[in-house]
Amino acid sequence: QSVLTQPPSVSGAPGQRVTFSCTGSNSNIGAGSDVHWYQQVPGTAPKLLVYGNTNRPSGVPDRFSGSRSGTSASLAITGLLAEDEADYYCQSYDTGLSVWIFGGGTKLTVL
Amino acid sequence: EVQLLESGGGLVQPGGSLRLSCAVSGFTFTSYAMAWVRQAPGKGLEWVATITSGGGGKIDYSDSVKGRFTISRDNSKNTLYLQMNSLRAEDTAVYYCAKLQGHMFHEWFFHYWGLGTPVTVSS
Repeated sequence: QSVLTQPPSVSGAPGQRVTFSCTGSNSNIGAGSDVHWYQQVPGTAPKLLVYGNTNRPSGVPDRFSGSRSGTSASLAITGLLAEDEADYYCQSYDTGLSVWIFGGGTKLTVL
Repeated sequence: EVQLLESGGGLVQPGGSLRLSCAVSGFTFTSYAMAWVRQAPGKGLEWVATITSGGGGKIDYSDSVKGRFTISRDNSKNTLYLQMNSLRAEDTAVYYCAKLQGHMFHEWFFHYWGLGTPVTVSS
């Protein structure tokens, strides 16, 4: 059971907007730890998508956006494309446990 | 171009040992903290160990590997290592090395990842 909670699956049609939630606690997200998001196409290595809650690395389209509020964070994808089908993980740092933590991941299906 | 290339994975019996290596290029290795992250078959990502930059790097381990795994780095060879002892079936996973980025622990994220090396613990 992950310290950060993510729904197991999300789906959407091409062109739609989907969101991914990541729920933590007062010892990680709520304590001010940054939230970061990764995309993993099955069989490949994870790729950084959003860092520092809201920032995109160069090369990541602005269709992807992140936010953080209280003990939770969200990732949104607009203008959904078939190539967005992948697993999405949130990551933060737990100040109580002094460990880096991942959510269990959310599988995105593009209908 | 940043590149991380893991090696050393394979099949090992329970109780055995294995040493993973991660050769890096494209950035100043000595200036960055590094980490190992693993992914068991069909499961999510799990942080394993972290070592900070510099000669006397601060080291942290997840509880699941503490006392059995040792992370180290050779700055002269631009290489990160993970010595894995007393391996168990539940250590079976793809092991990724990653370059960390950020100013303080609570900001750190895994900026670049290697392709991963598979480790299977089975008799």
